[in-house]
Amino acid sequence: EAQVTQNPRYLITVTGKKLTVTCSQNMNHEYMSWYRQDPGLGLRQIYYSMNVEVTDKGDVPEGYKVSRKEKRNFPLILESPSPNQTSLYFCASSQQGMVVGQPQHFGDGTRLSIL
Amino acid sequence: KQEVTQIPAALSVPEGENLVLNCSFTDSAIYNLQWFRQDPGKGLTSLLLIQSSQREQTSGRLNASLDKSSGRSTLYIAASQPGDSATYLCAVRPNNDMRFGAGTRLTVKP
Repeated sequence: EAQVTQNPRYLITVTGKKLTVTCSQNMNHEYMSWYRQDPGLGLRQIYYSMNVEVTDKGDVPEGYKVSRKEKRNFPLILESPSPNQTSLYFCASSQQGMVVGQPQHFGDGTRLSIL
Repeated sequence: KQEVTQIPAALSVPEGENLVLNCSFTDSAIYNLQWFRQDPGKGLTSLLLIQSSQREQTSGRLNASLDKSSGRSTLYIAASQPGDSATYLCAVRPNNDMRFGAGTRLTVKP
């Protein structure tokens, strides 16, 4: 089954404790992306990757890191989480970097609470 | 900077009604526009994608139109059903990034 898998689905942690949210897709997609969703603000793009070893900042990259060492994985790293990073996070992937208009496939989300 | 707006923020209709959801964007230089559905506690499901060169796309009871010059898109849902209740989001692709509206929360009452 084609899917984008995020882990963990839920996490409560404390300020300053490094964490990683994993994202994996089994569709051999080139393009992967991370979003955060906040009430009233909609989804905002954090980082995206056009292919292995190619990453770019989205709208709200501050406080986040990503890496793309393999095509299927695109982890989101919070080196020193702060309460303003409490949010619902989504990973998504699509074929051919989206320029040709392939639809994105989304994971089920990760709800992060930073205390 | 591209801004995407969806109006109304919430909509409640009786079952069977035809309805229109609106999406507007400030910069007409886009590659495509996509409509998504989001159910509570779930990710987004792609409904329709319209390339910048297209005017509309149809899938079952859904029809999406795109008027790039005026920066507007509509999602038409025919004969609405309670199962259509969800939040509907539109997103535009200005470059390699993607920009979303805040969504319209639709409730279809039996």
